Amino acid sequence: DTGVSQDPRHKITKRGQNVTFRCDPISEHNRLYWYRQTLGQGPEFLTYFQNEAQLEKSRLLSDRFSAERPKGSFSTLEIQRTEQGDSAMYLCATSGTSGYEQYFGPGTRLTVT
Amino acid sequence: EDQVTQSPEALRLQEGESSSLNCSYTVSGLRGLFWYRQDPGKGPEFLFTLYSAGEEKEKERLKATLTKKESFLHITAPKPEDSATYLCAVRGGGNKLTFGTGTQLKVEL
Repeated sequence: DTGVSQDPRHKITKRGQNVTFRCDPISEHNRLYWYRQTLGQGPEFLTYFQNEAQLEKSRLLSDRFSAERPKGSFSTLEIQRTEQGDSAMYLCATSGTSGYEQYFGPGTRLTVT
Repeated sequence: EDQVTQSPEALRLQEGESSSLNCSYTVSGLRGLFWYRQDPGKGPEFLFTLYSAGEEKEKERLKATLTKKESFLHITAPKPEDSATYLCAVRGGGNKLTFGTGTQLKVEL
């Protein structure tokens, strides 16, 4: 499968715990995005990487959230001290240099109890 | 700030009953309007990109059109497998996509 992959697909955690999600992009894509989607809403932008550089962050991305993309390949999104309001689907998308289309992975469903 | 409004929120059609979904937008310097299909529990699946008013794209039973203020996704003779949530998004001056809340389509036999 040459699409965007995300791991894990589901994560249940207790409030206050830290969680980390991983995204593996389409191999030739140098742009990577993280979005968050809650029930009945469209995806909301969190952050954007071009290669290994984090170039854009949303106001939604509080200081409990951190994202990295070492060596410009896979990316991780960490949430520290999770809160119930963090429960959502976390989506990763990637795009290449030839177009603006973003291709999404299957998402990681986070439930904070 | 970029904004996208989709209507209706939900649509129920009989198989073969054609209809259109609407996406109204405000954006500074449109650099693309995107349509995605999303099945429950899955990530959005890319359908179309439109860049300028008057542009049209087609794929099977779907046709997307664009004006300066809105886009339409026309569904011709839909089948039950077309049931999904259809999301519209715009890209303005930055790199992010701004999404609407989607239209939940149900096609019944």
